[in-house]
Amino acid sequence: GNSVTQMEGPVTLSEEAFLTINCTYTATGYPSLFWYVQYPGEGLQLLLKATKADDKGSNKGFEATYRKETTSFHLEKGSVQVSDSAVYFCALSDNTGGFKTIFGAGTRLFVKA
Amino acid sequence: GAVVSQHPSRVICKSGTSVKIECRSLDFQATTMFWYRQFPKQSLMLMATSNEGSKATYEQGVEKDKFLINHASLTLSTLTVTSAHPEDSSFYICSAHRSTGGMNTEAFFGQGTRLTVV
Repeated sequence: GNSVTQMEGPVTLSEEAFLTINCTYTATGYPSLFWYVQYPGEGLQLLLKATKADDKGSNKGFEATYRKETTSFHLEKGSVQVSDSAVYFCALSDNTGGFKTIFGAGTRLFVKA
Repeated sequence: GAVVSQHPSRVICKSGTSVKIECRSLDFQATTMFWYRQFPKQSLMLMATSNEGSKATYEQGVEKDKFLINHASLTLSTLTVTSAHPEDSSFYICSAHRSTGGMNTEAFFGQGTRLTVV
């Protein structure tokens, strides 16, 4: 079945540091890939997405490229801010699964001033 | 943009009572909605798929008599936690999918409901 594996946290960085959160997936079909962000006490917000191989999703300085050859969708940001502190979830969805969204375990990011 | 509204955002109930959580798609019709449960500091686990006009499809290990799902219209799905116990305390999140053309859809999530059973 489909699954998502992402790096364990927490990740602690200083402001303006470079961020990478690794994500790999297993899927039987041709999934769409997503990164969601969850701020404390809140629901999920879509951060970015990519629907096919080699697509790059980007938003608010975050980027991730859909790599079919390595089944990866790593999240990167060149310079993090304190306000980026949150939990980040990598996820996939495809039509073979009835469009269910399968989530990774989540990676908690702390950014220090 | 499309919005999914979930209500209530927080609820505290006594053990043995039932609690209903609503999930509404505000500006699009959703034939399918999904209910997730999130334990503290953990990921979201899919509980069930809510299908408009038919029975919900539950994931393995989820008690359908415990977590009643009703998808009465194209914009509303409800999750009722029956005879709630402290172990049911959790963060529940719904999502609704909107078609973006062809076989592609986009998921929109509600803001979540934090249930505390005392």
